[in-house]
Amino acid sequence: GENVEQHPSTLSVQEGDSAVIKCTYSDSASNYFPWYKQELGKRPQLIIDIRSNVGEKKDQRIAVTLNKTAKHFSLHITETQPEDSAVYFCAASRLRGGYNKLIFGAGTRLAVHP
Amino acid sequence: SQTIHQWPATLVQPVGSPLSLECTVEGTSNPNLYWYRQAAGRGLQLLFYSVGIGQISSEVPQNLSASRPQDRQFILSSKKLLLSDSGFYLCAWRGSFLEKLFFGSGTQLSVL
Repeated sequence: GENVEQHPSTLSVQEGDSAVIKCTYSDSASNYFPWYKQELGKRPQLIIDIRSNVGEKKDQRIAVTLNKTAKHFSLHITETQPEDSAVYFCAASRLRGGYNKLIFGAGTRLAVHP
Repeated sequence: SQTIHQWPATLVQPVGSPLSLECTVEGTSNPNLYWYRQAAGRGLQLLFYSVGIGQISSEVPQNLSASRPQDRQFILSSKKLLLSDSGFYLCAWRGSFLEKLFFGSGTQLSVL
């Protein structure tokens, strides 16, 4: 079945450093890749997403890159701040009728230390 | 704008008791609806999804069931809860273009 693997499971950085989280997916038909941020006890919130016809997307300090050939995609956070501390989830999905599942990675717990 | 409501926020239930969690979406029609479960410190496990009234797809065999009696209402149920049913339950919806998935605020279920 479909699978999304996410690494690392935990990541600790100093404030101002960059953080990179990587995911791989198994379903070659996947064409939509969102990233979610979840703070303790809260709902996951969509922070950025990318479609397979785009190799990179950036939103301020957050960027996502996609390598379709290798079935890899990554989240990059620059100039990290303590409020970036949270659990981050990647996900993969197909965008076509009749297939509606969004499969999540296991999550990365990011700690940003002042 | 679209909103998703999920209740209750917390629930403590004894083993063997029934369960009913409700989720409703406002401001959209014919959404795709989902139930996810998150064990403590773990990832998001897809339990059920629905593409329309009365249409339920189950992802994993378990002690739970789902129903969609109305277009924008999704219910998660159990006849007899198990200890292993404890977790953070999240309802979610996607629009007809199947892109962005939005989560409800979640229900923290503790089975004792």
